[in-house]
Amino acid sequence: SQKIEQNSEALNIQEGKTATLTCNYTNYSPAYLQWYRQDPGRGPVFLLLIRENEKEKRKERLKVTFDTTLKQSLFHITASQPADSATYLCALDLGRLYFGRGTQLTVWP
Amino acid sequence: GAVVSQHPSWVICKSGTSVKIECRSLDFQATTMFWYRQFPKQSLMLMATSNEGSKATYEQGVEKDKFLINHASLTLSTLTVTSAHPEDSSFYICSAALDRGKAKNIQYFGAGTRLSVL
Repeated sequence: SQKIEQNSEALNIQEGKTATLTCNYTNYSPAYLQWYRQDPGRGPVFLLLIRENEKEKRKERLKVTFDTTLKQSLFHITASQPADSATYLCALDLGRLYFGRGTQLTVWP
Repeated sequence: GAVVSQHPSWVICKSGTSVKIECRSLDFQATTMFWYRQFPKQSLMLMATSNEGSKATYEQGVEKDKFLINHASLTLSTLTVTSAHPEDSSFYICSAALDRGKAKNIQYFGAGTRLSVL
């Protein structure tokens, strides 16, 4: 079965620093990989999608990389702000979405 | 755009009763909707895929007679938890896929329903 690991359950960083979250997967490589943000007691919100033939994708302060050889995606938030505090989920798109457990990011002032 | 509304956001019920959760796509038509369950600090687990006008496709281990799904229109899917028991207490979230050609599986989620069965 498909296994997805997000490297740490929690990540705490200081405001202004770059947050880097990791998503590793086993078995099948997806055609697409997605990242979502989830706030407590809420449904996830789509952030970015990256295709298998794309190495990097950017959107404002967000950057996602996708290495199908390493079976890994990195998610970066530059110039982090306290408002970025949330749980970030990666999801493999294999016709249906397989979600990781998420990394809870806390950005402190 | 791409707003999904889920109702109710929170429900408490007695063991043995049934609970219906609604999921609506407000500004787009969704031929496919999805129902997930999430336990604290766990990932979203897909329960079933709801297809408009046809039977839902359930994931392995999900009892279709317990979790009834109806997708009667392009904007509404409902999940009914029948004869709910305390172990059914969880956070249920629906989503709808907005078909963008090659990126069909970008999903837009409702706010979720917290179900507590006493």
